Amino acid sequence: NAGVTQTPKFQVLKTGQSMTLQCAQDMNHNSMYWYRQDPGMGLRLIYYSASEGTTDKGEVPNGYNVSRLNKREFSLRLESAAPSQTSVYFCASRGGGTGRVGYGYTFGSGTRLTVV
Amino acid sequence: GIQVEQSPPDLILQEGANSTLRCNFSDSVNNLQWFHQNPWGQLINLFYIPSGTKQNGRLSATTVATERYSLLYISSSQTTDSGVYFCAAGSYGGSQGNLIFGKGTKLSVKP
Repeated sequence: NAGVTQTPKFQVLKTGQSMTLQCAQDMNHNSMYWYRQDPGMGLRLIYYSASEGTTDKGEVPNGYNVSRLNKREFSLRLESAAPSQTSVYFCASRGGGTGRVGYGYTFGSGTRLTVV
Repeated sequence: GIQVEQSPPDLILQEGANSTLRCNFSDSVNNLQWFHQNPWGQLINLFYIPSGTKQNGRLSATTVATERYSLLYISSSQTTDSGVYFCAAGSYGGSQGNLIFGKGTKLSVKP
């Protein structure tokens, strides 16, 4: 029972390069999310997917695209990385209402991205 | 949109002490969660608690939705409790994805 798995854990990009952050969950959750965490800013929502086949913008979507490939996988793409996108990126999925977590979110371990 | 404020921003405890962390939110919510971010960066869901009281071991949480606040209690603190505690609040509806996070309470438990 892996929960939410993110890859890679660390990445260094040059300005203008592109990359895709991968996220997969094995809990059969419908909703998935991408957040970024910056010092002093807390976590901010980039994009979310309420169900397979749907995606919506969050608070800070500019410079990012997402794909909900299937129910398990939700990827985040940076088409042309900028230094302002240096951050820690977290993927999460929302529980289905049962168990201790209820409708709570389960987070992956994060991807630390540096753009130089 | 919803604003989430946490207090205190920093807290230093001696091992074995008890503490209360507070989260105030500015609007009606039907989604309130507490998380612990450990020193390695992992975010762990502690409670999903839009209302009422829950307990899990040495931790308990209470949300009074009508008064727009939630409290996280840590009893008999241990060094492994160190890290940042986040409160996050939101409303399910047209924009069901937007869980707003507070800036966190940084807890340091000294042996």
